[in-house]
Amino acid sequence: SQTIHQWPATLVQPVGSPLSLECTVEGTSNPNLYWYRQAAGRGLQLLFYSVGIGQISSEVPQNLSASRPQDRQFILSSKKLLLSDSGFYLCAWSGTTYNQPQHFGDGTRLSIL
Amino acid sequence: AQSVAQPEDQVNVAEGNPLTVKCTYSVSGNPYLFWYVQYPNRGLQFLLKYITGDNLVKGSYGFEAEFNKSQTSFHLKKPSALVSDSALYFCAVRDDVKAAGNKLTFGGGTRVLVKP
Repeated sequence: SQTIHQWPATLVQPVGSPLSLECTVEGTSNPNLYWYRQAAGRGLQLLFYSVGIGQISSEVPQNLSASRPQDRQFILSSKKLLLSDSGFYLCAWSGTTYNQPQHFGDGTRLSIL
Repeated sequence: AQSVAQPEDQVNVAEGNPLTVKCTYSVSGNPYLFWYVQYPNRGLQFLLKYITGDNLVKGSYGFEAEFNKSQTSFHLKKPSALVSDSALYFCAVRDDVKAAGNKLTFGGGTRVLVKP
């Protein structure tokens, strides 16, 4: 069966420091991959999605970037964190056909001090 | 463009009573609809989906949802709520199936509190 792993589970970083969050998927190949941010335990904001290695689409302009160096690896990065980057970051994957749901990891809670 | 509305921020229900979480949608083509549940400090868990066929969809943990095309609704239901059903629930609709990425548009979420 397929599984998705995100780490770390929690992270506290100072303003201006770099960021790297990693997400990996097992048990499937060529998945679509997604990064979301959830603020205050409510709505989800899609940040990036990827349909293949090296293919990244950005949904909103921001201080973050994403990369997909391998088929089942998705990385969220920042060179300099802002206070506004605090939140709960969720990675998800889906199959490539239209009727397949997205499946989520357990998230990283990022606090910026 | 597609959209999803969850009109209730919170739903309170007594344990053993029926639970309904409302969702309405707007799409230009065929609707492909999903329900997710989120427990504190966890990711979203997929509950069920409507793609085509029977308007009553059964899912995980005893949940079901009724698709109503004329009312553009996809309400989540459970006949007898449990305290453990207390969580945040999200309705979602597939973006244009012709677009790449299988993206979803999510509603704002409804918090369910089941009281013993």
